[in-house]
Order: sequence, then C-alpha cells, then structure tokens
Amino acid sequence: LAKTTQPISMDSYEGQEVNITCSHNNIATNDYITWYQQFPSQGPRFIIQGYKTKVTNEVASLFIPADRKSSTLSLPRVSLSDTAVYYCLVGNTDKLIFGTGTRLQVFP
Amino acid sequence: SQTIHQWPATLVQPVGSPLSLECTVEGTSNPNLYWYRQAAGRGLQLLFYSVGIGQISSEVPQNLSASRPQDRQFILSSKKLLLSDSGFYLCAWSVRRRGRYYGYTFGSGTRLTVV
Repeated sequence: LAKTTQPISMDSYEGQEVNITCSHNNIATNDYITWYQQFPSQGPRFIIQGYKTKVTNEVASLFIPADRKSSTLSLPRVSLSDTAVYYCLVGNTDKLIFGTGTRLQVFP
Repeated sequence: SQTIHQWPATLVQPVGSPLSLECTVEGTSNPNLYWYRQAAGRGLQLLFYSVGIGQISSEVPQNLSASRPQDRQFILSSKKLLLSDSGFYLCAWSVRRRGRYYGYTFGSGTRLTVV
C-alpha cells in the first residue's frame, strides 16, 4: 500500500477555490487515487477517484500528473459546509488504510 | 441501489461487559466488509476486514473479534470491554469488478462509550 502525505490542516474562506495536495511517491502501477470527505460523527464519504490526468465530477476535480507521484483535490468555491477532514488514499487492494487526513476549515 | 445498515447508533457500556455491533449490506453480493474505529479527534483505524463468509483478517491485536456468518452480515464483538475500546465504530463495504475496487461505502457509525 502506497504511503500518502498530505497537509494536516488548511484554512480558506467562502467562495474561494481550495487545492489539497497529496504525495504518494511509491504508488504502484495498478493503484487508484481516491479522496474521501468526513464530517464529525459521520463515516467518510467518497468524493472522487482517478488513475491519471484529470477527473471532474459535480463536487470536485482531481489532478494527477504524468508521474502519478502526487495528486491534487480541487474544490471550487467552497462554502461553510465544506468544512471537514479530507483523506487521500492510494491503492487497489482488499483493504484501504486511512492516513490522518487534511482538516479543512472554511471561514465566512 | 446498495445500502449499508449499522446499529445501534450510540451505546454506553460498563467496563467488562460484552459487545455486539452488527452491520448488514443490501443490494450487492459477495462484498468485502470492514470494521474501522476512530478515537476522538483521530484518524480511522482498520480493525478487521472480510473477503467472504467465515474469512476474517485482523489488523490490530486487541480484545475485539469479528465474524461474518452470512454474505452480507458483519459482526464486531468483545467478551469484556475495556475503557480503551471507546470510540466511533464504522462498518464499510467494497466490491471488486474487473480488477478494480468500487464502493467503499461507510455506515452511519456507532458511538461506543465504555464507562
């Protein structure tokens, strides 16, 4: 399982774009990159998954460079309700190991 | 559509008492099932996962155990709870199709307080 490194916390203001970068230098060829969002007292919720280049859905975009050793989750125009912990996971196996995640605080 | 049910939502148990948390999945067959625990203000710790009936992999040695008596049922148990067992317990499932894992959907969790 690839080890991931992401910032412990980030602050932003409503309406701004937030980019959270995750490093995964030892990513394997068949590994996918998946991001989850977790609110207090709730289970993590799937946000987006990608393998290479760029993936976009109604919630976020995921940018993956050619070497795949990092990825960036982009949240456009965040609101107060985007305050949560965001986890970057890399793998394609029976189990997923969560890191400490990035605590995003959005201010008015 | 797939859904995952986990109960109870909250539980307060005395030290030394037994524990049984149940998780069931609907709308999918032969899922991988997982139990995670999250201590207050901490990350998620994988406790057990199962790829099939009766197949349990333990990630962290402790006084908890897991069982999978049916394809879509996963149970977390303890014979005697410790104070350190307090936390937020989450069940999750995933499926593998054509070499790729999908799903990884979490239940709503059980907040366990051992007193």
